[in-house]
Amino acid sequence: EVQLVESGGGLVQPGGSLRLSCVVSGFTFNDYAMTWVRQAPGKGLEWVSTIGSRGGSSDGDSTYYADSVKGRFTVSRDTSKNILYLQMNSLRAEDTAVYYCAKDLTLGITMVQLDHWGQGTLVTVSS
Amino acid sequence: QSALTQPASVSGSPGQSIAISCTGTSSDVGGYNYVSWYQQQSGKAPKLIIYDVTKRPSGVSDRFSGSKSGNTASLTISGLQAEDEANYYCSSFTTSTPPWVFGGGTKLTVL
Repeated sequence: EVQLVESGGGLVQPGGSLRLSCVVSGFTFNDYAMTWVRQAPGKGLEWVSTIGSRGGSSDGDSTYYADSVKGRFTVSRDTSKNILYLQMNSLRAEDTAVYYCAKDLTLGITMVQLDHWGQGTLVTVSS
Repeated sequence: QSALTQPASVSGSPGQSIAISCTGTSSDVGGYNYVSWYQQQSGKAPKLIIYDVTKRPSGVSDRFSGSKSGNTASLTISGLQAEDEANYYCSSFTTSTPPWVFGGGTKLTVL
């Protein structure tokens, strides 16, 4: 069974940092692109960042970011621990949201069609 | 403002069919068959219900179907049930930046 479990959210002051983790199981982590999506309170889904798969794809470990987080957020993966990370620096009030990690549907292709999602972790940026 | 435009809300009675549109451009919806749809029930994570415009993941009811015409994709739900009440989001690959975008979401109310 595929499982994704996020952690690391919490209350942080503007300008601060947080690192989100997403522990995955039930599939070969290397073989799939992974994505972070966020949802501000009462708002819609916003794509944040994607890291390409390592398994046989043309964009292994390539990273992609929304303009709103580029230069402040960094996505990475530790394949030895099956953990996806999102390092968030210089946080702003508008980064307040539930952050979801999600797995791409298709092996080896980065298409951001997300077939499994975690339960989300809430990040609140406030003084 | 989302790159993909969806109606804010739609409604229907049990047993009826409804359609939710998702309008983009030739750089996204119209140019590629990489449109997906997600259902998000209250307090839950989103669930993939349609991918590659028309395909359903295993386990998703065949009451859900997807289509595309020009720059507009559509999600149709037939035989509406109370459990279908949720927010629905479309998403597409795009040659613009960022390379992937969500629509603003549509709230479905089952009357």
